[in-house]
Amino acid sequence: EPEVTQTPSHQVTQMGQEVILRCVPISNHLYFYWYRQILGQKVEFLVSFYNNEISEKSEIFDDQFSVERPDGSNFTLKIRSTKLEDSAMYFCASILRIFYEQYFGPGTRLTVT
Amino acid sequence: AQSVTQLGSHVSVSEGALVLLRCNYSSSVPPYLFWYVQYPNQGLQLLLKYTSAATLVKGINGFEAEFKKSETSFHLTKPSAHMSDAAEYFCAVTSNNAGNMLTFGGGTRLMVKP
Repeated sequence: EPEVTQTPSHQVTQMGQEVILRCVPISNHLYFYWYRQILGQKVEFLVSFYNNEISEKSEIFDDQFSVERPDGSNFTLKIRSTKLEDSAMYFCASILRIFYEQYFGPGTRLTVT
Repeated sequence: AQSVTQLGSHVSVSEGALVLLRCNYSSSVPPYLFWYVQYPNQGLQLLLKYTSAATLVKGINGFEAEFKKSETSFHLTKPSAHMSDAAEYFCAVTSNNAGNMLTFGGGTRLMVKP
């Protein structure tokens, strides 16, 4: 069964450093998402991406964040200058069509020290 | 705006007992509702979804949920708990005016006692 993959599974970085989290959505899906889950808290929407542009973003998704689909398979989340409060599990998701169920990747645990 | 409230951050049941996890939503337009399960150190797996068809929805692993518009609820049930059901369960909502953005509840950790 097709699945969403994410790399790395765990990333440790120092405050102020740039990180890039990578996702490979399911191949024929058209809509892509990033969510994050701070330890012990609820899963929060960050951004949605369709047709090579951001379609929605939350207030969490400030200028430090960016997303890109550099080729036909990868979908990346970049944090330019990480803060301690960016430590969280980051999930990528994709869907084939709007209002279909979102398929989630296993997540990347980001630890900022 | 849409929101989800899951009553009970922790629920403990005995193996073989009924599982009931509560979810109430708020949405100004007809919602689409989902239940996801998260096993330790894993991602989110879809259990079931409601997308305006049948109000009683059956999912994987013997779970089902009933959409009750009058109560704005979408509670998750399973007649008989199994040890392997121990996990965190998230209810989520989206709608036509939300761009398919999922809004999650705070989650309920289900513990199953032998």
